[in-house]
Amino acid sequence: LAKTTQPISMDSYEGQEVNITCSHNNIATNDYITWYQQFPSQGPRFIIQGYKTKVTNEVASLFIPADRKSSTLSLPRVSLSDTAVYYCLVGAGGYQKVTFGIGTKLQVIP
Amino acid sequence: DTEVTQTPKHLVMGMTNKKSLKCEQHMGHRAMYWYKQKAKKPPELMFVYSYEKLSINESVPSRFSPECPNSSLLNLHLHALQPEDSALYLCASSQDFTSGGPISYNEQFFGPGTRLTVL
Repeated sequence: LAKTTQPISMDSYEGQEVNITCSHNNIATNDYITWYQQFPSQGPRFIIQGYKTKVTNEVASLFIPADRKSSTLSLPRVSLSDTAVYYCLVGAGGYQKVTFGIGTKLQVIP
Repeated sequence: DTEVTQTPKHLVMGMTNKKSLKCEQHMGHRAMYWYKQKAKKPPELMFVYSYEKLSINESVPSRFSPECPNSSLLNLHLHALQPEDSALYLCASSQDFTSGGPISYNEQFFGPGTRLTVL
């Protein structure tokens, strides 16, 4: 399983764009990169997934360079409600076992 | 219905008690998961069921006994737990693809969890 490394914590002011980078140096050819968000005492919630280049949905963008050894989750104009832990996961389809890394605790400041 | 439900929400039990956690989904998912999450730590995978059969057991102590009576239900039976087993227990489900090739990782839908306290 590809191991992931993320910053333990980040602070951001409301309205700013936040970029959280995840390193996954031993990512396999079949692996996808997935990000989850977790609020205290709740289950994680899927945010976005990608394989290469850039993926965008209504809540975030995911940038993946050509070598795929890292990825960056971009949250545009964060609000206080975006305060949460963000997990980067790497895994392949048809393979159910994934490992959550330590996650990045994002604190949005008014 | 895109929801995973878990009951009870909170559970307090003694070390000699027997209790069960329940999880239910009606999304037609054929893979279901149990995770354990300690405070300020990431979720740790415990068990995975695929098509109602146990496919992954992450060396979990036998005092935790999973059961998948049908494709919508997942139970976790608890017996003779220790105080260090106190944690948030999360259930999740996903579609289950068994074909090979670089298909996307199956998004897991998580329930709200059961907060377990062992006295």
